[in-house]
Parts: sequence; C-alpha cells; structure tokens
Amino acid sequence: EVQLVESGGGLVQPGGSLRLSCAASGFTFSSYWMSWVRQAPGKGLEWVANIKQDGSEKYYVDSVKGRFTISRDNAANSLYLQMNSLRAEDTAVYYCARVSSSSVYRNFAYWGQGTLVTVSS
Amino acid sequence: DIVMTQSPDSLAVSLGERATINCRSSQSVLSGSNNRNHLAWYQQKPGQPPKVLIYWASTRESGVPDRFSGSGSGTDFTLTISSLQAEDVAVYYCQQYYSTPTFGQGTKLEIK
Repeated sequence: EVQLVESGGGLVQPGGSLRLSCAASGFTFSSYWMSWVRQAPGKGLEWVANIKQDGSEKYYVDSVKGRFTISRDNAANSLYLQMNSLRAEDTAVYYCARVSSSSVYRNFAYWGQGTLVTVSS
Repeated sequence: DIVMTQSPDSLAVSLGERATINCRSSQSVLSGSNNRNHLAWYQQKPGQPPKVLIYWASTRESGVPDRFSGSGSGTDFTLTISSLQAEDVAVYYCQQYYSTPTFGQGTKLEIK
C-alpha cells in the first residue's frame, strides 16, 4: 500500500524557515517524480514544486522561486521542502504527492494527509 | 502557465439528479505525442486530501463509481455525476498535467 506521511509543519514567524519532510513507503520511491502541493485555508490547490527521480531536475511555482528548495533522499525514501523567507501567504496545508507513473506529465495518484504551516507573528 | 477555469463555483443538485461541472484550459492540453488529454478530476472532502476520480480526461480511476464520468478534449472538459448521492458532497477540482501542473479554482457541490 502506498503511503505518504508529511511532517515538520508548525507555526513560524514571517521571515523564518521551516523544513518539511515526507516519508514514502509501499512503492519504489526512486522511480517517481514527486511533488509538493499546498492549500491555503479555505482555498484551492496550488502545485508548489516537483523533483525528478534522481534529483537532477526541479521546478517551482513562481511565487516560491528563490525561497523554497525541494530535495529528496532515495536511500531514505524521503522528500523534503526547505522553506525560507516565509510569508503570511505561505500559510497552508502542504501535501506530498506522487504521480501515477514514472513520467512527469501524469496526474497525482497518491497524496499524503498534509502538514499545516502557519506563518504569523 | 496554463490557466484552468471551472464553472460554476458552486452547485446545488437534488439527490438522484445529474451534476455537471465544467473546466476550461487557457491552451490545449491534448498531447500530439500520445493523442491524450492531460486532464484529471479530483474530489476533496473536508479534512481530507484530494482523491483522483478521472485522468486522461475520461478514464475512471479504479474503484470510482461509474456514476462519475469525464468528457471533452482540447480546452473544454466536463465532469458529470449521473445520479447524485449524499456522499458526493465535496469540492471538485480539474488539473492539467500537460505542463507544470495547475488546478482549477474548485467547484463546491452541495445537496439541494
């Protein structure tokens, strides 16, 4: 059974940093592109970043470029999101998501339960 | 980026009746390489992550009831629930995966 379990969320002040983790199990982690998708309270879904199987390609939504860094550790079956210079508008539930096959251009087939990040003074 | 626009923003339908949600993309999501529309539909219930219902615009995910169907091509797509059940109350999102992923704003479906 595919499982994605996020951790690392919490309350942080504007300008602060936070590192999210996603522990993956039930599939060959190194075979899939992985993504972070966020959802602000009461709002819709926004893709944040994704990373290729070997970490050689990474893409970000414009609003987080230069502030967030996605990474992965295939030996540990883990995905990460380093978030720096956090802003109030980054407040959201952050989901770890896996696409349906090894290609990047596929739907999100599996989602974690999410971890809440709150940016507030 | 491809902009996805859903209509309506909210919808109230009687139990047993048909519900129709539309999704339009700002450019075609039909791939010339595989002749498939890179379009998915998700259902999200309160406090839960999204769940994929439909991918490739019209392929139903395993385990999804057959009252859910997807149609359309190019830039215009539709999710149809043929006979609304109480458990279908949720927010529905379309998403394109032709390029960096983008979602529609969501359609809230309620019981009339």
